[in-house]
Amino acid sequence: AQKITQTQPGMFVQEKEAVTLDCTYDTSDPSYGLFWYKQPSSGEMIFLIYQGSYDQQNATEGRYSLNFQKARKSANLVISASQLGDSAMYFCAMREGSGGSNYKLTFGKGTLLTVNP
Amino acid sequence: NAGVTQTPKFQVLKTGQSMTLQCAQDMNHNSMYWYRQDPGMGLRLIYYSASEGTTDKGEVPNGYNVSRLNKREFSLRLESAAPSQTSVYFCASSELTGGHTDTQYFGPGTRLTVL
Repeated sequence: AQKITQTQPGMFVQEKEAVTLDCTYDTSDPSYGLFWYKQPSSGEMIFLIYQGSYDQQNATEGRYSLNFQKARKSANLVISASQLGDSAMYFCAMREGSGGSNYKLTFGKGTLLTVNP
Repeated sequence: NAGVTQTPKFQVLKTGQSMTLQCAQDMNHNSMYWYRQDPGMGLRLIYYSASEGTTDKGEVPNGYNVSRLNKREFSLRLESAAPSQTSVYFCASSELTGGHTDTQYFGPGTRLTVL
């Protein structure tokens, strides 16, 4: 079974609108972290936002927020007020474990977001 | 701060040739990683080094070797390149103190083609 599932291969959004990118995960470890990365067409991987399994509140970073629903094992990325520069591939990733053994990120297959003017 | 740097940016090899991908970080991170990215597959971990002096296999280690030269540098070697190793290779680093986030920061990638 896939540990990270991103069900939307592609998404379109109008400039200035909000968009939600879906991510569901599968783990039996009570301690884990969820990450979102952005990969523009230039190819680099840019860290956006992090949510820990024990965090009580949803993470926010500027226009990015993470809709964390632990019971449903989902960690959706919400981008508010989309900009043309948000057009990119977005990856959800998970790290399981803690205490110095948490080394591996497992990535989803990504969602390609296109922002239309 | 340059963050994580990788060389070369592009490389074309013939089957059977060898090469080393170089990675360096200036964030004083303990841990370093090598991933490969193939179309439709996301990123997969090849090898990692939790700390200076240690290396371990990841999800797809076959055909690769690594060296953690010092705290800053972590190289990936292809001894006998195969067309299946055509991919984009990313190096990453993180603090790995057992802390809460241990976010991995990525280099710009190396696009490798094996003919």
